[in-house]
Order: sequence, then structure tokens, then C-alpha cells
Amino acid sequence: EVQLVQSETEVKKPGESLRISCRGSGYIFTDFWIAWVRQMPGKGLEWMGIIYPRDSRTRYNPSFQGQVTISADKSIATAYLQLSGLEASDTAMYYCLRTHIGSYWNDAFDIWGQGTMVTVS
Amino acid sequence: ETVLTQSTGTLSLSPGERATLSCRASQSIGTALAWYQQKPGQAPRLLIYGASKRATGIPDRFSGSGSGTDFTLTISRLEPEDFAVFYCQQYVYSPLTFGGGTKVEI
Repeated sequence: EVQLVQSETEVKKPGESLRISCRGSGYIFTDFWIAWVRQMPGKGLEWMGIIYPRDSRTRYNPSFQGQVTISADKSIATAYLQLSGLEASDTAMYYCLRTHIGSYWNDAFDIWGQGTMVTVS
Repeated sequence: ETVLTQSTGTLSLSPGERATLSCRASQSIGTALAWYQQKPGQAPRLLIYGASKRATGIPDRFSGSGSGTDFTLTISRLEPEDFAVFYCQQYVYSPLTFGGGTKVEI
């Protein structure tokens, strides 16, 4: 089964940092881009950025650039989202997603992780 | 950035009825549009890509149409499990963007 499994719920204090993981299985991890999406409580979806695990090429949404870092370790089929200087406004569900076709960053997303809820308080 | 507008916030319908959801892009995106369904407490799932192609395992009561700036998701006969929030997403321009969502409620 193709799936993305994310790390568990996090509760952090303002000013702290956090790294969320997303492990892919059931497919060739390096053949597809992995994106991150934020969903604040009761709100819509915001694309934060994307990485190609084969060579770690990344693209960021300018709204999030400088505030988040996306990385990947292809040897363990895992992508990461790092958030630093956390604020209460970072409280949200964070999803990792896989591109549908594979080699294009600008694509639909057919596999979603289960989400990681981050609470900053 | 490319803004996607889902002008209907909430659609109140009954099982068996037809649902028509719209999504308008602030600039032409060809057919690079996807639709997702999100149920409470769950991650979204891909329904439609390429504006009109059903994703794997999606029932044929879901259909998508449109190109350029105007797109429609149609659910021909609503089943009880279809009630959810639906998002459109464009994948031409960076940053990739989503519409604000349309809730289909009973």
C-alpha cells in the first residue's frame, strides 16, 4: 500500500522549534515530489513548499519562505518540515502530500499523510 | 499568486440530489485543476485531476469540467458519504493555491 506516515501530535511553547517527519512507503520515494500543506483550525489549505527527495530540490511559497525549512533523507524515505520561532499562529494541522504523476513539482496530490497537529501555547 | 474563488460557501442538499460546485481562477490555468474532498477529522483525498479525470477509485457520480478560468465539480446523485468540504487546487503557477472550499451539507 502506498502511504505517507507522519510523526505524532506536538505541543510546543512560543519560541521553540519543531521538526515534523513524513515517511513514504509502498513506492519509489525518490520518484515523486513531497509537498507540505498547512490547515489552520477551521480554515482552508495552504501550500507551503515542496521537495524532490532524489536531489533535494525545493520550492517554497513566498508566504512561508524564511520561516520553514523543507528537507529529505532519501536513505530512509523521509521528508521533514522544520518550523522555528513558533508562535501561537502556527497552531495548525500540517499535511505532507505526494505528487500524482511524479517528476513534476506542479501537480495534483494523490497521497496525503494523516496529518500532524501542532499546538503552540 | 493565482487566486481560486469558490463562491459558494455552503451548499445544503439532500441525498439523491445533484450537487454543482464552482471554482474560478484569477488567470487562465488551462486544465491544471484538481478537486479534493475532506471529511471531518480526515486528510483530503484527490477526486479529480486535469479538470476532468477521475482519480483511482473515485465513483463515476463525481465528474469535473471546465478549462481556462471556470471549473465545475458535479456530483450526480449525492450519497450520504459525500457530504464534506470540497477544495479546488491549481497546479500551473507557483505558489500552488487552493480555493477556500465549499461545504456540502445535508
